[in-house]
Amino acid sequence: QKEVEQDPGPLSVPEGAIVSLNCTYSNSAFQYFMWYRQYSRKGPELLMYTYSSGNKEDGRFTAQVDKSSKYISLFIRDSQPSDSATYLCAMEMGTSGSRLTFGEGTQLTVNP
Amino acid sequence: GAVVSQHPSWVICKSGTSVKIECRSLDFQATTMFWYRQFPKQSLMLMATSNEGSKATYEQGVEKDKFLINHASLTLSTLTVTSAHPEDSSFYICSAPGLAGVGGEQYFGPGTRLTVT
Repeated sequence: QKEVEQDPGPLSVPEGAIVSLNCTYSNSAFQYFMWYRQYSRKGPELLMYTYSSGNKEDGRFTAQVDKSSKYISLFIRDSQPSDSATYLCAMEMGTSGSRLTFGEGTQLTVNP
Repeated sequence: GAVVSQHPSWVICKSGTSVKIECRSLDFQATTMFWYRQFPKQSLMLMATSNEGSKATYEQGVEKDKFLINHASLTLSTLTVTSAHPEDSSFYICSAPGLAGVGGEQYFGPGTRLTVT
């Protein structure tokens, strides 16, 4: 079983839709949770970073962490064609020297 | 946010030659940097952890004699792919933790696309 599970998609939505991306994890030692966006042939770009359970909002993006269920989500409101990318969840234990464990990534396409 | 650069962004080399990829932290110091490779439509696979002033730590299955890592300064780590073969063709990405270090945000370079012919 993988430490981090993420549905690879692909996910296709119309412009303006609310997008929900999710990851589950099995290792309760993960303490820090991140979402990265990666455009084709580019490096990952940090979108959201969270530590505790709860919600964190930044513009159209909301990250949600539920440590009791080992489940994290990223919501994108009013999705735009420019949001079309691969979204990767990543986690860190905090005692692993900043080593990240990634999900497979979900490929998202927002259609105009 | 912190900026990490990589050079070159794309390199084509012949089989049997060596290629060096640079990873720089532009506005912060990084005692640790990470090197990943990524195949098309796959996630990032950690290859090694580069530590300034000491030997790199390689992940299981990664040949340390083939993928040489040097972290000679607090802002520069290099990955040298020695005797490259077509199966080494991939997207190589480096990353570095930001100012907060462990548990903090981590920043990625733009990646280097290596094509071995």
